[in-house]
Amino acid sequence: DAKTTQPPSMDCAEGRAANLPCNHSTISGNEYVYWYRQIHSQGPQYIIHGLKNNETNEMASLIITEDRKSSTLILPHATLRDTAVYYCIVRRGNTPLVFGKGTRLSVIA
Amino acid sequence: EAGVVQSPRYKIIEKKQPVAFWCNPISGHNTLYWYLQNLGQGPELLIRYENEEAVDDSQLPKDRFSAERLKGVDSTLKIQPAELGDSAVYLCASSQQGEETQYFGPGTRLLVL
Repeated sequence: DAKTTQPPSMDCAEGRAANLPCNHSTISGNEYVYWYRQIHSQGPQYIIHGLKNNETNEMASLIITEDRKSSTLILPHATLRDTAVYYCIVRRGNTPLVFGKGTRLSVIA
Repeated sequence: EAGVVQSPRYKIIEKKQPVAFWCNPISGHNTLYWYLQNLGQGPELLIRYENEEAVDDSQLPKDRFSAERLKGVDSTLKIQPAELGDSAVYLCASSQQGEETQYFGPGTRLLVL
């Protein structure tokens, strides 16, 4: 599976949009971009995934560049409960998730 | 809909003792995963089941770790004997056949003294 690169940490003011970047320059054509997050003392939680089109659900939006070498997860109005480690994962089909170290997002009041 | 259930949530044992973790996946999910998460790291796959068959156990340390999913539903992960380095969070996840989203349980936090 392709590897991803994420900043180790980010801060965001409460109520503002949180934009979490991810680089996946070696992604293959049949690999999806997945985002999970892990709140302290909980298991990872699925957020969103996409192949090449931008995706939006009730939790977040996923913007994938046209060349698919990077993506951005957007939390439109961050709250304190969004403080977590966010993992960007590239995977093919129903293969196991390969987690990196993720980005630790701190939402500040 | 109930999520993935794991028990116990916390376990403290002395080294060389055995320990077992239990996982009940989401109803109807035929794929079950066990992950290990060390402090400050992302989860790492230990074993994956399709129904009762272990289809990927290449990362499971078989000298001390074992797992089973006898009826294709619940699963048990065992460590015998436990070592200090086994202190970690053990996560169980499940997914539905044909679906690619995995749903995780809260994990079991193991401390080996």
